Amino acid sequence: AQSVTQLDSHVSVSEGTPVLLRCNYSSSYSPSLFWYVQHPNKGLQLLLKYTSAATLVKGINGFEAEFKKSETSFHLTKPSAHMSDAAEYFCVVSEVDSSYKLIFGSGTRLLVRP
Amino acid sequence: SAVISQKPSRDICQRGTSLTIQCQVDSQVTMMFWYRQQPGQSLTLIATANQGSEATYESGFVIDKFPISRPNLTFSTLTVSNMSPEDSSIYLCSVAAGPTANYGYTFGSGTRLTVV
Repeated sequence: AQSVTQLDSHVSVSEGTPVLLRCNYSSSYSPSLFWYVQHPNKGLQLLLKYTSAATLVKGINGFEAEFKKSETSFHLTKPSAHMSDAAEYFCVVSEVDSSYKLIFGSGTRLLVRP
Repeated sequence: SAVISQKPSRDICQRGTSLTIQCQVDSQVTMMFWYRQQPGQSLTLIATANQGSEATYESGFVIDKFPISRPNLTFSTLTVSNMSPEDSSIYLCSVAAGPTANYGYTFGSGTRLTVV
């Protein structure tokens, strides 16, 4: 069965410094992997997705993630944090079997200090 | 990608009552998904709603507690029945953003339910 582990429940960075949110997955098929962001009292927004094409995926708002099959990782990065990046981030896996359902990680809360 | 209208956006309900949440999609979709997000937690899939057949429930969720309707390819409802304070959560519906799962998924804005 597939699963997702987000290694940090909270990450705190200073504005203008790099962001790294870590995610490891377990999947018996070729997974599709996603990062979603949830701002307070807002809905979920898709940041980026990996679907077996390029291993380095670029998303919105300057975020990117690299799929590393050997490490079963899909870490999210951004070169320079902005105050507006403060939110909850979810790493998500979907297996393209008959169900197409999503498995969510536990989430990482990103705090950005001025 | 599809646009989802979900309502109500929030409600406060008395224990023992039921609440029906609606999701309307602006295009036809094969599968719709219902999720629950308990306070401070991640999202958990409740069920998959397919048009023309009964919903498929995940472990820990039953039809008597969370009946789902899917009358056509653009609409679905989730009912939270006989509510207790433990049902206080955000409930979200979701659809695939394109013809396959590779396109990602679009989520409704959620229904924030408080049971008192």
